[in-house]
Amino acid sequence: DGGITQSPKYLFRKEGQNVTLSCEQNLNHDAMYWYRQDPGQGLRLIYYSQIVNDFQKGDIAEGYSVSREKKESFPLTVTSAQKNPTAFYLCASSLYTDEAFFGQGTRLTVV
Amino acid sequence: AQSVSQHNHHVILSEAASLELGCNYSYGGTVNLFWYVQYPGQHLQLLLKYFSGDPLVKGIKGFEAEFIKSKFSFNLRKPSVQWSDTAEYFCAVNALGGNNRKLIWGLGTSLAVNP
Repeated sequence: DGGITQSPKYLFRKEGQNVTLSCEQNLNHDAMYWYRQDPGQGLRLIYYSQIVNDFQKGDIAEGYSVSREKKESFPLTVTSAQKNPTAFYLCASSLYTDEAFFGQGTRLTVV
Repeated sequence: AQSVSQHNHHVILSEAASLELGCNYSYGGTVNLFWYVQYPGQHLQLLLKYFSGDPLVKGIKGFEAEFIKSKFSFNLRKPSVQWSDTAEYFCAVNALGGNNRKLIWGLGTSLAVNP
């Protein structure tokens, strides 16, 4: 089946540790996105990539990093510099300006 | 800067009531418009979208939305809601004409339908 796979579904991190969230798509989409969803704040864009080996910062990129070495993959690293990393993270992909397809999300908790 | 505004943050309705959720955007050029829904515990999914043509678009589960260009609006409607419509609803806009292809999102409206 075509779609977007995020892993893991739940992730626990100790303070001061970096952690990487996986996002893979087999929809042959050029664009991929990472969002952070917090209650009452909607979807806030962290990073997005419109093509392989290129990505742009979104509205809340501080403390995060990404890579886009393959069209299918867009991993997000939450670094120790992110002050409030506990959140629900959503990955999405789209074909240019068409609708975005979302993964099931990863819930990250800092312990 | 481009922005999307959803007027209602929380809506509570009884079953069979009519629903209208407001969405306005700030961009003077051509746009693609979307409504997404997030049911409890599920991933975001597309309800409907407008690219061009008939400004009244129909989506899944009896939802429809009307694009009014002069008002920069794309309101979501359903004549009779069901308990299963309880969810979070997001309006999104893709402003065309530049190199930026990112979607601009509203903050969402939480809908609770009482049986």
